[in-house]
Amino acid sequence: NAGVTQTPKFQVLKTGQSMTLQCAQDMNHEYMSWYRQDPGMGLRLIHYSVGAGITDQGEVPNGYNVSRSTTEDFPLRLLSAAPSQTSVYFCASSYSGALETQYFGPGTRLLVL
Amino acid sequence: AQSVAQPEDQVNVAEGNPLTVKCTYSVSGNPYLFWYVQYPNRGLQFLLKYITGDNLVKGSYGFEAEFNKSQTSFHLKKPSALVSDSALYFCAVRDSAAGNKLTFGGGTRVLVKP
Repeated sequence: NAGVTQTPKFQVLKTGQSMTLQCAQDMNHEYMSWYRQDPGMGLRLIHYSVGAGITDQGEVPNGYNVSRSTTEDFPLRLLSAAPSQTSVYFCASSYSGALETQYFGPGTRLLVL
Repeated sequence: AQSVAQPEDQVNVAEGNPLTVKCTYSVSGNPYLFWYVQYPNRGLQFLLKYITGDNLVKGSYGFEAEFNKSQTSFHLKKPSALVSDSALYFCAVRDSAAGNKLTFGGGTRVLVKP
């Protein structure tokens, strides 16, 4: 199993540009989520999905969109990038249920100029 | 609402000495607690979790954590630290009444000096 994969590893954008961060998992996990990591703030939940066709907002959803057309994929879209979105983005997946462990991808480092 | 606090931004310890990374939490239901480690330029790796049962939980790489309900704490410990344990450690909590959402602390950087 490849686990959770993310592409790209690193991206530079100009303010106002759009892009999609890709996330895929091959563990048949129902639950997938996106976090952003900023210094001193830990990981903050952006959006999450409990299954194909179902998404919901997390703690910091503004400026981001998601969709979940398949169990495997959970892309994160930045509609109009802003410097405040400079961060490291992590995708995670798990089986559904509060007892389950989330597994993380390697991250995407995004710089918005 | 669930929350997690890691009161120390950084912990410095000499190799071979005991290592403790502190974590306190707040939930309205029962807590499910997790520790993750992040090495430079890598994703988060799961270390251990507490769901129920024994208050002392053993995990990967010789780490363990003690759940203390009265103090609402879940401190991570290792009896003898290694230089390779130098990394960023995150505590996280799930409230049994709040579904799958995982809330993370701000992280504690551990520096183990030879």
